[in-house]
Amino acid sequence: KQEVTQIPAALSVPEGENLVLNCSFTDSAIYNLQWFRQDPGKGLTSLLLIQSSQREQTSGRLNASLDKSSGRSTLYIAASQPGDSATYLCAVLTGANSKLTFGKGITLSVRP
Amino acid sequence: NAGVTQTPKFRILKIGQSMTLQCTQDMNHNYMYWYRQDPGMGLKLIYYSVGAGITDKGEVPNGYNVSRSTTEDFPLRLELAAPSQTSVYFCASSTPPVSSYGYTFGSGTRLTVV
Repeated sequence: KQEVTQIPAALSVPEGENLVLNCSFTDSAIYNLQWFRQDPGKGLTSLLLIQSSQREQTSGRLNASLDKSSGRSTLYIAASQPGDSATYLCAVLTGANSKLTFGKGITLSVRP
Repeated sequence: NAGVTQTPKFRILKIGQSMTLQCTQDMNHNYMYWYRQDPGMGLKLIYYSVGAGITDKGEVPNGYNVSRSTTEDFPLRLELAAPSQTSVYFCASSTPPVSSYGYTFGSGTRLTVV
């Protein structure tokens, strides 16, 4: 059974800091890995999707990497801003019917 | 560009009542999913469907039922609501190859059972 772990559960940083959010998964037989952002009381917004054959994806100040063999992904946020404050969820796609398994998320607070 | 639409956004149910959470998508996606999210937890899969007339259980199906009579709609039925079903429910859809396109999520239904 696939398990996804995100540690720590919460993180607080000063504005302007570069930061890395970690995600690990137990079964390396994945089709892709997605990073989502969730604002309080809101739905999920897809940030980046890395296919199993890819090593990284970039969008603006965000860069996500994938090391399938070691079961790890990182989300790098450059020059963090208060508007980046949210919960970041990692999810991996596995199985014959393409099911996503989620981590519990990392709640990020960027202090002005 | 509506994407995935969920109704209602909020609902309070009394113990033992029943209700249907509606989900519809306008992207002609074959795959649809229902997840629940409890505070401080990730999303857990309740049911999923790979096409009209085909549904299957996910990780936490007890207390729920689904149907998929059309490609667009995937309602989730709660029978005999219990406090343990207080949660936020998300519907999602995707299309093959899912490895390329990922999931699109609705904005959620926040359900409280009292």
